Amino acid sequence: NAGVTQTPKFQVLKTGQSMTLQCAQDMNHNSMYWYRQDPGMGLRLIYYSASEGTTDKGEVPNGYNVSRLNKREFSLRLESAAPSQTSVYFCASSVSRQNTEAFFGQGTRLTVV
Amino acid sequence: KNQVEQSPQSLIILEGKNCTLQCNYTVSPFSNLRWYKQDTGRGPVSLTIMTFSENTKSNGRYTATLDADTKQSSLHITASQLSDSASYICVIRGGSQGNLIFGKGTKLSVKP
Repeated sequence: NAGVTQTPKFQVLKTGQSMTLQCAQDMNHNSMYWYRQDPGMGLRLIYYSASEGTTDKGEVPNGYNVSRLNKREFSLRLESAAPSQTSVYFCASSVSRQNTEAFFGQGTRLTVV
Repeated sequence: KNQVEQSPQSLIILEGKNCTLQCNYTVSPFSNLRWYKQDTGRGPVSLTIMTFSENTKSNGRYTATLDADTKQSSLHITASQLSDSASYICVIRGGSQGNLIFGKGTKLSVKP
């Protein structure tokens, strides 16, 4: 039982490059989320998908796009990376938006130089 | 503004000692509060959920309490172990959109 799987675990990008962070969950959860975690700050919500086929902006969506490919997969895309996007990114899932127990992946440490 | 404040920011204790971590919040409306444990290099893992009706919970050596009047929660760890070294994050579901609001965490280091 893998839970929430994120790839890659580490990535270095040059300013202006693009990349997609992948996330998959095997718990049949309806809701999925992307967060970023920066030193000295709490996790901040980038985008979420309450259910398959829907996506919504969170607290810090600028510079990101998402795709809910199917019930299992939720990807995060950086179209033109900036140094301010250097962070640790976490994907999470939960049974529903109302269910607060979010299960997190191991994170992707992204550095933009 | 909805806020979750945790104290202390960091804490160092000796193995076998007890400690208490604090969480103060100004989230309205409030749905529930969870404590998460985040090991270095890993994602957060839920320890316990608190509601106004379930305001004291124990999970092994972890005991969490919630005081709705003072808008405070505490996480008490007894007989600490080296494996308790981690960040502990207070997370509240609430606010007008019902999102999760994360505290910055308390980094606990347990030394032998």
